[in-house]
Amino acid sequence: QKEVEQNSGPLSVPEGAIASLNCTYSDRVSQSFFWYRQYSGKSPELIMSIYSNGDKEDGRFTAQLNKASQYVSLLIRDSQPSDSATYLCAVTEGLIKAAGNKLTFGGGTRVLVKP
Amino acid sequence: DTAVSQTPKYLVTQMGNDKSIKCEQNLGHDTMYWYKQDSKKFLKIMFSYNNKELIINETVPNRFSPKSPDKAHLNLHINSLELGDSAVYFCASSLPGTGVRLTGELFFGEGSRLTVL
Repeated sequence: QKEVEQNSGPLSVPEGAIASLNCTYSDRVSQSFFWYRQYSGKSPELIMSIYSNGDKEDGRFTAQLNKASQYVSLLIRDSQPSDSATYLCAVTEGLIKAAGNKLTFGGGTRVLVKP
Repeated sequence: DTAVSQTPKYLVTQMGNDKSIKCEQNLGHDTMYWYKQDSKKFLKIMFSYNNKELIINETVPNRFSPKSPDKAHLNLHINSLELGDSAVYFCASSLPGTGVRLTGELFFGEGSRLTVL
């Protein structure tokens, strides 16, 4: 069973600070990595995808990937109260196929941004 | 228009009953999924269909039976409900990937919260 692990939190950050979320995964051949945000009682929505080692920035979000360490992280800069949510790390299992690709999700990190 | 819609949003039922959840997507995607999210927030894939063909069937009790009449619809029927089936069930759809770049963008429905008493 491939695993994706995250600290469940809550991660409490003051408004305007940087929130740093971490995720480790067990499948060495995983090729695609994602961060989803889930507000309480709502469905997950994709906020970042990353495929290559290094950093990828999109607005206030930066995803970082280190395949050698099997580690992916998400930084949220200038955190806002509206960023308060659970952040789910998701990793494709095995090599990418034409169809039948499976995303394995971590248990999520709950982030609380305090005004 | 809602992209991925599920019905019903809430289900409360007794152990041993049979229930169904319906899902429809109007995004034109070929691939649809059922995910289960338990009380600890773990999202686990149950089934995936690509253009009406079952392509992922996780270790799920055979009391759960998916059915895809066409690529825009994916239903889930659950027989002989048990307490442990209580969860939120999410339907999702996705675009195919290209090469190694699986888009990974799952478009989720709002979820169907099932409570088994």
